Amino acid sequence: DAKTTQPPSMDCAEGRAANLPCNHSTISGNEYVYWYRQIHSQGPQYIIHGLKNNETNEMASLIITEDRKSSTLILPHATLRDTAVYYCIARTLGTASKLTFGTGTRLQVTL
Amino acid sequence: SQTIHQWPATLVQPVGSPLSLECTVEGTSNPNLYWYRQAAGRGLQLLFYSVGIGQISSEVPQNLSASRPQDRQFILSSKKLLLSDSGFYLCAWRGGQGVSPLHFGNGTRLTVT
Repeated sequence: DAKTTQPPSMDCAEGRAANLPCNHSTISGNEYVYWYRQIHSQGPQYIIHGLKNNETNEMASLIITEDRKSSTLILPHATLRDTAVYYCIARTLGTASKLTFGTGTRLQVTL
Repeated sequence: SQTIHQWPATLVQPVGSPLSLECTVEGTSNPNLYWYRQAAGRGLQLLFYSVGIGQISSEVPQNLSASRPQDRQFILSSKKLLLSDSGFYLCAWRGGQGVSPLHFGNGTRLTVT
């Protein structure tokens, strides 16, 4: 699985869009990008995943650059409950992937 | 629907004592199963993963072992705990080899004293 790099922390005002970047410059063509988040003292929660097209679900949007070397998770209207650590990982489809997590981005949503 | 159970939620054990953490998954068959550990303020470290009964892959040589005696049961063990084994232990499962994401349990917070 490709290594991913994320900023250690970000702040966002409540009601504003939170844009969380992830760099995965060594990603291969068959690796998907997954996003999870972990609220304090809980297990991580799956948010969204994608290969090369932009994706949207009820929680967030995922924008993947055309060269697939980076992506951005967008929370369109952040709330205080979105305060969490957000993890971006790359995973190869069809293998018993190790699913390695980095240290993620700590998003703090403030009033 | 699928659910994952992990217990106990918290555990305090003395150094040198044994450990057994259990994780079970319901509502699916032949899942991939994972054990992660998270030290305070750190990211998730993959410890073990399993693609089937009796098949265990270890990622980090250490004081812990894992077993998968049944299809939906994953056990993390230690014969003698060390202080450095303290942390937040998370079990997770994933269905098959497709795009399905990981689903995590609520974790066990282990304190070795």
